[in-house]
Amino acid sequence: GESVGLHLPTLSVQEGDNSIINCAYSNSASDYFIWYKQESGKGPQFIIDIRSNMDKRQGQRVTVLLNKTVKHLSLQIAATQPGDSAVYFCAEAVRNFGNEKLTFGTGTRLTIIP
Amino acid sequence: NAGVTQTPKFQVLKTGQSMTLQCAQDMNHNSMYWYRQDPGMGLRLIYYSASEGTTDKGEVPNGYNVSRLNKREFSLRLESAAPSQTSVYFCASSEFYNEQFFGPGTRLTVL
Repeated sequence: GESVGLHLPTLSVQEGDNSIINCAYSNSASDYFIWYKQESGKGPQFIIDIRSNMDKRQGQRVTVLLNKTVKHLSLQIAATQPGDSAVYFCAEAVRNFGNEKLTFGTGTRLTIIP
Repeated sequence: NAGVTQTPKFQVLKTGQSMTLQCAQDMNHNSMYWYRQDPGMGLRLIYYSASEGTTDKGEVPNGYNVSRLNKREFSLRLESAAPSQTSVYFCASSEFYNEQFFGPGTRLTVL
């Protein structure tokens, strides 16, 4: 079956530095991608999404890059803060009106070092 | 506007017992979902409901049943709990082809 994977399970970054979290996907039919942040004991929280007709999208301190050629997705967090410590998940979906189902990766734990 | 709410927050069951996890959303979303999350793993879809009156199986539906009671509420039932169903259960809702909003989760332990 199709799967979404991550290159690194853990990442430690000095406070104030930029962080990059990577994600590989295998379903070439996927056309919608999301990054979620999950803090300990809480449900996933939406960060940013991108559709397959784009290769870059920016939010507040976050940027998502999509490389469809190599089926790669990345999340860049600028000027990391202690509150950015969490597990980050990428997810993919195939457009299917009314029946969108997300496939999640296993997650990357980001730790911000003070 | 509470978003997605789930009850209970914690539950301990004995093998063979049954229970229903409740989920409600106040965002007028058409689609609702149930996921389970096991340690070191991502979320896996159990069941989903694209709209009121419809439900479909996800990746791991065995041992579970669901009911889309109305547009707001989507419940997950374990008829005969097994230790393999020990997990954190998340409910989510979305409007078609958009981000899913998640509830705080129910932590279930089956002894």
